[in-house]
Amino acid sequence: GEDVEQSLFLSVREGDSSVINCTYTDSSSTYLYWYKQEPGAGLQLLTYIFSNMDMKQDQRLTVLLNKKDKHLSLRIADTQTGDSAIYFCAERLPGAGSYQLTFGKGTKLSVIP
Amino acid sequence: DGGITQSPKYLFRKEGQNVTLSCEQNLNHDAMYWYRQDPGQGLRLIYYSQIVNDFQKGDIAEGYSVSREKKESFPLTVTSAQKNPTAFYLCASSMSLGTYSNQPQHFGDGTRLSIL
Repeated sequence: GEDVEQSLFLSVREGDSSVINCTYTDSSSTYLYWYKQEPGAGLQLLTYIFSNMDMKQDQRLTVLLNKKDKHLSLRIADTQTGDSAIYFCAERLPGAGSYQLTFGKGTKLSVIP
Repeated sequence: DGGITQSPKYLFRKEGQNVTLSCEQNLNHDAMYWYRQDPGQGLRLIYYSQIVNDFQKGDIAEGYSVSREKKESFPLTVTSAQKNPTAFYLCASSMSLGTYSNQPQHFGDGTRLSIL
């Protein structure tokens, strides 16, 4: 398909791990990003991964990239109530106009205390 | 601190009225973007500008106009031709480096536009 796809909702218990999945469109994408949006706010860049990497870890966040399947995931360890938000994945394509990002529709993460 | 400032945070438009949303950045970024966000729709690109005095239409440009007279500023006008303007509008900016350079977009806090 032509869209970046994400599940719309995910619910986890506080202290568990959260895994948010994303399928992107183009195997030649150069960078893939994860953004977090809290209610009524803009998007905050969480982390990114370059396309020649398989994994990137940053404190509680782990990004996994499967280029063959065009699959990206974000794992949040020890999920807290403050992690409740909408999470967007985005891909950046190479070539002309490569400053643009294509966003998924976002996954709303709800953390149950 | 460097960042992107959008104003106002809330805006109300009467029927037939044009309104302008402000976006200012002090990150020295070349590229700027406007997105519209509707519930369940994700972000849709309205217009973008890679350099001063130049801009291109995005996926949903009809009923909107922009200008880029200064590097720091990229105002968006929602015209009366936009029949369904109620949405959350996000402005972003990024560097304009090479294809394989990391240049994430940084976002403002958004403007919520509603129709009276």
